[in-house]
Amino acid sequence: GQQLNQSPQSMFIQEGEDVSMNCTSSSIFNTWLWYKQDPGEGPVLLIALYKAGELTSNGRLTAQFGITRKDSFLNISASIPSDVGIYFCAGRGSQGNLIFGKGTKLSVKP
Amino acid sequence: DTGVSQDPRHKITKRGQNVTFRCDPISEHNRLYWYRQTLGQGPEFLTYFQNEAQLEKSRLLSDRFSAERPKGSFSTLEIQRTEQGDSAMYLCASSPPGSNEQFFGPGTRLTVL
Repeated sequence: GQQLNQSPQSMFIQEGEDVSMNCTSSSIFNTWLWYKQDPGEGPVLLIALYKAGELTSNGRLTAQFGITRKDSFLNISASIPSDVGIYFCAGRGSQGNLIFGKGTKLSVKP
Repeated sequence: DTGVSQDPRHKITKRGQNVTFRCDPISEHNRLYWYRQTLGQGPEFLTYFQNEAQLEKSRLLSDRFSAERPKGSFSTLEIQRTEQGDSAMYLCASSPPGSNEQFFGPGTRLTVL
């Protein structure tokens, strides 16, 4: 079946740093979505991507839909403390459902 | 407009009991999805409605699980004879016509003792 691999699994940030994470798939997707989830809450949609090569921004967040349609990247510029949480990529499956990665956990450096 | 709402937010039950969760999608959203999420994992698809029709079911949805959306608005997910392995966060999402974007509710956290 379709699987998504997210990396890194976790990372520590210092306020002001830029952050990059990515997601790769064993198969092609026509839609990629990025979500952020805080503890005990549902995922919140950050960015949706619909075309291979597309680069889309939402404030300090920028995401790209890979040319091969098997990967996507999310960058966060000038991170702030409220950026901590778990970031999930998701590809839209043939049934209309979303297939999620295992997430990248962002924490603040001690 | 309010977002997707789910009730209850938390449910603790004993093994063997039946539980039912409710999801109210965003108004005018014709598609509704149920997902399950366990610790350290991303959400996993369970089932999907377009209006009142249940169009897809995952193999994760055993015969103890049933979902309904009788009037094409709110949906319920029932788990019969709960097992400890059913402990998870159950998430509902809705999607407007013509869009691939899914908007999630806050989830129902189920704990089976």
